[in-house]
Amino acid sequence: GQNIDQPTEMTATEGAIVQINCTYQTSGFNGLFWYQQHAGEAPTFLSYNVLDGLEEKGRFSSFLSRSKGYSYLLLKELQMKDSASYLCAVWDSNYQLIWGAGTKLIIKP
Amino acid sequence: EADIYQTPRYLVIGTGKKITLECSQTMGHDKMYWYQQDPGMELHLIHYSYGVNSTEKGDLSSESTVSRIRTEHFPLTLESARPSHTSQYLCASSPGTSDTDTQYFGPGTRLTVL
Repeated sequence: GQNIDQPTEMTATEGAIVQINCTYQTSGFNGLFWYQQHAGEAPTFLSYNVLDGLEEKGRFSSFLSRSKGYSYLLLKELQMKDSASYLCAVWDSNYQLIWGAGTKLIIKP
Repeated sequence: EADIYQTPRYLVIGTGKKITLECSQTMGHDKMYWYQQDPGMELHLIHYSYGVNSTEKGDLSSESTVSRIRTEHFPLTLESARPSHTSQYLCASSPGTSDTDTQYFGPGTRLTVL
């Protein structure tokens, strides 16, 4: 079956750096998304990776290794508003979007 | 960024009632989706549409139906609500220019069936 694994919950300190990992086992690969979802709200788009390497966008960066079926989202200079769930999603070979359960990130002062 | 709206935001109803969850987008996106999400769980696709008069069932078995008569409107109907339908329902849309379009989400409807 198809599967995306993410840690259920992570805790970090305001101002620090945190890395949220995502590993996937899917039938083919056509790209990977990261979304942010605050409690009770809609997911909002953060990044999209289709080629190997690091994509940087302000405080957020996303990395992809297709050969390892692995991605991470790196958040720098953490702020309290970064407390949210972070969802990883992969397009498989049939262009079905497979979602992970998300990682709940708790930021402490 | 897409503007996508869902109503109602919260709904509490009794078992057996018929309900329609509304979803509208103003960006002219061809593709629209309905997802179901329980707390701490992944999104499950229940219906999608690639354009007017096109609707398909997703990977999650659902007792709901959808229609796509206008590009901007994609309502979801439950003919007879049951407690098992209690969940968060998220509507999304994407431009339809690529198979790997970014999806943009509405704020969701939190449904509770008593």
